Formats: sequence, structure tokens, C-alpha cells
Amino acid sequence: NAGVMQNPRHLVRRRGQEARLRCSPMKGHSHVYWYRQLPEEGLKFMVYLQKENIIDESGMPKERFSAEFPKEGPSILRIQQVVRGDSAAYFCASSRDRLNQPQHFGDGTRLSIL
Amino acid sequence: KNEVEQSPQNLTAQEGEFITINCSYSVGISALHWLQQHPGGGIVSLFMLSSGKKKHGRLIATINIQEKHSSLHITASHPRDSAVYICAAWGGSEKLVFGKGTKLTVNP
Repeated sequence: NAGVMQNPRHLVRRRGQEARLRCSPMKGHSHVYWYRQLPEEGLKFMVYLQKENIIDESGMPKERFSAEFPKEGPSILRIQQVVRGDSAAYFCASSRDRLNQPQHFGDGTRLSIL
Repeated sequence: KNEVEQSPQNLTAQEGEFITINCSYSVGISALHWLQQHPGGGIVSLFMLSSGKKKHGRLIATINIQEKHSSLHITASHPRDSAVYICAAWGGSEKLVFGKGTKLTVNP
């Protein structure tokens, strides 16, 4: 009965490289949410996906960031041409259904940009 | 002004004390989450509630929809309760809006 699995736990990239963060939701969950926590700040919503569909990406920067949740496999948050300001903890959560369902969080990926 | 405000920002207590963390929100919500985040660690969902009161072990969460206010109480606090406690409101947009968290330190 694994919970939400995120990998890697820690990721170091140099400026200009690409970062790929993976999230496998809990079994039976088809809704995935990505959140970002900047140092010394609260969590902020980035994107909400359902299998093969982006439902709401209003919290995600329009450039360099993209997210997907394919029919098979984990959800991926991709950051191209990373900059220092992308350094943060990225959390994924999943829920069984939309609206008023508990969200279960992963342990996060700590992204550091050199 | 943040749509979800928590107080206090930092809280230090002695082991055994009764703890209260408050959360006020300005958005219309359908549910409210209380989350716990340990240093360097992940996030655990403690409660999701839309009315009344919920209890789990030494933790109690209450919500007053009319006053747009929720509280998280910890009875007989213990050093292992030291963590950041985060309130998050779920409004009609299906997005969670988070408070900045309350850092709790319980000293032995």
C-alpha cells in the first residue's frame, strides 16, 4: 500500500540544464497536483492533472515549465533551462477523485540549482 | 493579504502543554486541510474537514464556517510534535490555498 512516491528526493542541476521530477500517485488515484515551496515561503499550487489531461495549470510559469500525466507511468514535472530561482522543494499530491477529497502528499523533490 | 492566515507564526511550548494553532481564511471554502511538515521531510495530511470537529489521537481540529476560522489543538504535547503545521483552504476553484505555516517547537 505504497503512498505517493516522488523521485528523486534530491536533484542538483547547473543553470541551463533540464530537471525532470517524477510522481507516482497512490494506487487508485487518478488526480495529481504539483506544488512548489520556495525557501522560507509557503506552498503554492502549480498544476492539477488527471490522467492524460491538464485540468488547471494556472499556477505554473508559462515558460520553461511543463507537466504531464500519461496513461501509463508517473506524472512528470519538467523544468527546462533551469535558473537559480527554480531552487525549491516540489511536492506532488494525489487524490482518488476531484473536489473535497483528501490529498496525499509525497516526500517532495528538493531541487538545487548551481 | 494572503487568503489564508495562520497564527502564531512560531510557537514554543513545554512538553505536556496544550497547543492551539489558528487559521483564518477569506475565501469561500468547501473544505479545509491541516497538514504537518517535519524538517527536511515530507508532508502528512492530518485532517480534512468542512464542518464541526474531528479528533485523531491527541490532535483535534475544529472549524467554524460562519466565522471562517479553524483551529488545530494538540493535547499533552510531546517533542515529537515539533514540526510546521500548515492550514490549506479548498475553495471552488479546486486549488488548495495554503497558509504560511506555524512552526511548533516542543521542548522536553
